[in-house]
Amino acid sequence: GAVVSQHPSWVICKSGTSVKIECRSLDFQATTMFWYRQFPKQSLMLMATSNEGSKATYEQGVEKDKFLINHASLTLSTLTVTSAHPEDSSFYICSAKNEGRGLYGYTFGSGTRLTVV
Amino acid sequence: RKEVEQDPGPFNVPEGATVAFNCTYSNSASQSFFWYRQDCRKEPKLLMSVYSSGNEDGRFTAQLNRASQYISLLIRDSKLSDSATYLCVVFRDDKIIFGKGTRLHILP
Repeated sequence: GAVVSQHPSWVICKSGTSVKIECRSLDFQATTMFWYRQFPKQSLMLMATSNEGSKATYEQGVEKDKFLINHASLTLSTLTVTSAHPEDSSFYICSAKNEGRGLYGYTFGSGTRLTVV
Repeated sequence: RKEVEQDPGPFNVPEGATVAFNCTYSNSASQSFFWYRQDCRKEPKLLMSVYSSGNEDGRFTAQLNRASQYISLLIRDSKLSDSATYLCVVFRDDKIIFGKGTRLHILP
C-alpha cells in the first residue's frame, strides 16, 4: 500500500532556531501534499496545501513566512519552521494525495513532535 | 462554531459493550465522510467511509444522514484494542476537515 515517510519523528530545538520536517511518498507520486498541526487534545488543523512545482496555499491565520513549504519533486515536500518559539511546539503531520485512488488516496506520515525550549 | 463537531468524550466503556459516537457537520457542501482512528501520538488512520445507505465492517457500523448533517459510528462487542481517539472527517473542496475527536477507553 501507499506509504508516506515523515522525518524526524521528534525534535527538540532552541527558541529562535529553524527546524525542517520532510515528508516523502515512497511508492507513489504526490502532486499535492498537505501539512497539519495538532495541539494537545485538539483536532488536526490544516496549515497549508503544498503543490509540486508551485507555491503552497496557506490557510487563514498561518504565517507563510514562518512556515516555509517547498515541494520541489513529486515525492518530497518539506516544512521549515523558522525562528521557532515555544508556542510552535506541536505535532506536525503531513499527508500525501495519491491521485489514482481518489478520496481513499490520502496517506498520512507518522508525524513529527516538535518541542521548542 | 467548528465545521465538524463531535461528542466531547472521553467514553469509558467496559469490554464487550456497544458504544456509539455522533458527529455533526455544518457545511452542506461537504462531499464525503469518513471515520479515522488516531492512537496516542500517532498519525490518523482511515477506519471506514460513511454513506447514507450505511456501511458495516465487522463490529463497526457507520451511518450518514445528509438531511440532518449527522454522522454516527457504532462499535459492537468492544475490545481493549478499540481504545483510541475516533475522528470524524469531512472532505470538502479537496480539503480534509477533522473533528476534534472522541476518546474511547475500553475497560477490562
